[in-house]
Amino acid sequence: SQKIEQNSEALNIQEGKTATLTCNYTNYSPAYLQWYRQDPGRGPVFLLLIRENEKEKRKERLKVTFDTTLKQSLFHITASQPADSATYLCALPYGGGFKTIFGAGTRLFVKA
Amino acid sequence: DAGVTQSPTHLIKTRGQHVTLRCSPISGHKSVSWYQQVLGQGPQFIFQYYEKEERGRGNFPDRFSARQFPNYSSELNVNALLLGDSALYLCASSRDAQETQYFGPGTRLLVL
Repeated sequence: SQKIEQNSEALNIQEGKTATLTCNYTNYSPAYLQWYRQDPGRGPVFLLLIRENEKEKRKERLKVTFDTTLKQSLFHITASQPADSATYLCALPYGGGFKTIFGAGTRLFVKA
Repeated sequence: DAGVTQSPTHLIKTRGQHVTLRCSPISGHKSVSWYQQVLGQGPQFIFQYYEKEERGRGNFPDRFSARQFPNYSSELNVNALLLGDSALYLCASSRDAQETQYFGPGTRLLVL
C-alpha cells in the first residue's frame, strides 16, 4: 500500500535561516504532490502543488522540488519568520485521484 | 467569497450514539471530501463525493457514511460511536474531483 514519510521530529531553526522539510513516499508513482500548512486546531491550508513533470516550483519564499526517481519532495522556506511556525503536511493523490493520502506532518518552530 | 464551512464546531457524544456532521463547500465547488484527524497525525481520508456520487472511500468501517446534496453540501454520519472516533473531522471542497482541496475549520468530536 502507499506510504508517506515526513520528518517525525520537530524542526527548530533561527529566524532568517532556510527551513527544509522532507517528504518520502513508497509503492507509488503520483501524478502530483501537494504541500499544506496546518496551525493548531485549524484545517490545513493549501500552499503548493507540483506535478511529476516539474522539477521545481516556487511561490514567494517557498520552494518545492519533486524527484520521482528518489520518490522524494523537499519543501524549503527561505528567510524564515516566527509566523512560519506551523505543521507542514505533504499529500499525494491515489485511487485514480479520487483519494488523498497525507503524511503525518513536520512541526516547524522558527525562533526570533 | 466564503470558504468551506462546517457545523457544529464542537460536539460531545457518548459511546453508542450517532452523530451527523455538516459541510458547505465553496461556491462553485462540486466535490467534497471528508477526513479524520487524530492528534499528532495527518488527516486520514474517509470519503470523496462529486456530483452527488461517491467517488472514493477510505479504509473506514461501515459505521461511517456520507452523502452529498443537490446544492453540493454534504453530511458525514457516524453510527455506534466508539471512544476511538474522537478526532477532528475535516471537510474539504474542490472544483473538480481531482483538483486542489480547500479545507474547512473542522468539527472536533469527543466521544465519552
